[in-house]
Amino acid sequence: GESVGLHLPTLSVQEGDNSIINCAYSNSASDYFIWYKQESGKGPQFIIDIRSNMDKRQGQRVTVLLNKTVKHLSLQIAATQPGDSAVYFCAENMGYSGAGSYQLTFGKGTKLSVIP
Amino acid sequence: KAGVTQTPRYLIKTRGQQVTLSCSPISGHRSVSWYQQTPGQGLQFLFEYFSETQRNKGNFPGRFSGRQFSNSRSEMNVSTLELGDSALYLCASSLEASGRRYEQYFGPGTRLTVT
Repeated sequence: GESVGLHLPTLSVQEGDNSIINCAYSNSASDYFIWYKQESGKGPQFIIDIRSNMDKRQGQRVTVLLNKTVKHLSLQIAATQPGDSAVYFCAENMGYSGAGSYQLTFGKGTKLSVIP
Repeated sequence: KAGVTQTPRYLIKTRGQQVTLSCSPISGHRSVSWYQQTPGQGLQFLFEYFSETQRNKGNFPGRFSGRQFSNSRSEMNVSTLELGDSALYLCASSLEASGRRYEQYFGPGTRLTVT
């Protein structure tokens, strides 16, 4: 499979436990944030997003928390499964870039390893 | 509905050569973005095309270029390849939506190795 990062922070969790992946973003003016999951050999896959006017959003087994005061984003995965093993990226919308375009900036990523 | 497709999946080139990568977006998606992914720099934005026009460009040298066709398919070209261009090149398509939402769907990428 593809190697997406040789020096990524790694989080190892036992199957069934909850996982928390953290991300610090850079631009206090960013107003839209996304979490992506990237499995080996695949492109990033959209998981969940959140707007800056919210501090929490829940999906299926996933919750995103946003703390604008400290520019921090977290992804919580409940009852982690082996299929959750992947690299997780946060991305922030850096805002309007002109001509109708919005640019995303991605974090470095965190590798999640689930121990069966 | 078929996802984003990229061809070729793997490519080996020699320094100084040029390369063209292809991306077919999801049907109905008119915005196509390109990213370079490396272990050291992570995912970095290259450029974005919409309706055959480049709308946004990242901080890459002029050796990196792209284009979009009337059917929204896109190609990117890298000329005078350098060893540091070895990376996974990802294409993402987006359905132009109102407001500031910007959800992108990624293809599997093209792994380029420069020797």
